[in-house]
Amino acid sequence: DQQVKQNSPSLSVQEGRISILNCDYTNSMFDYFLWYKKYPAEGPTFLISISSIKDKNEDGRFTVFLNKSAKHLSLHIVPSQPGDSAVYFCAARGDGSARQLTFGSGTQLTVLP
Amino acid sequence: NAGVTQTPKFQVLKTGQSMTLQCAQDMNHEYMSWYRQDPGMGLRLIHYSVGAGITDQGEVPNGYNVSRSTTEDFPLRLLSAAPSQTSVYFCASSIGGGTEAFFGQGTRLTVV
Repeated sequence: DQQVKQNSPSLSVQEGRISILNCDYTNSMFDYFLWYKKYPAEGPTFLISISSIKDKNEDGRFTVFLNKSAKHLSLHIVPSQPGDSAVYFCAARGDGSARQLTFGSGTQLTVLP
Repeated sequence: NAGVTQTPKFQVLKTGQSMTLQCAQDMNHEYMSWYRQDPGMGLRLIHYSVGAGITDQGEVPNGYNVSRSTTEDFPLRLLSAAPSQTSVYFCASSIGGGTEAFFGQGTRLTVV
């Protein structure tokens, strides 16, 4: 049973427009959420995070929104650029003693020039 | 700045063979972990370590073994390779559990 779900395997967006990537979770004890970006043949790299006590965190073109009541977070990229084309993973931190991360299955974003 | 280094990058094994995937980090991070990435499954935690001498199982530990004799190194051993272990393996390190993790470039393993 996946505790972190990314229901859209892929998303295509025109350059300059907004990209919205979604993530849902089931465990209400998750207290910290992260987004990672992954290019082919490379390891994932950290992009942005948000604590459960906030509902928004912004870093340049990237904004993450958290809706705790809906157990939903989203990553907005504005404006989208061709270099943003990658797989995006959301991850959530559990409440176990080691606080390990649980990852979603990823969304392939393609930004079309 | 090497960060997290994984070797090898590619490996083909025959069923039943054993091998060790190497992982080293130079950031003095206490927390290290191993993930496997499979299509449609995302990244799944195999084993992790919260410090030298301490390891624990993640979500999918069967068929794998780890040890942590130093802060820098966290090797993953496949005891008897099976086709189901065909995957891309990533090692990661972080200051603590659940914080920003730095990943290696991955090892693509094929078991035939």
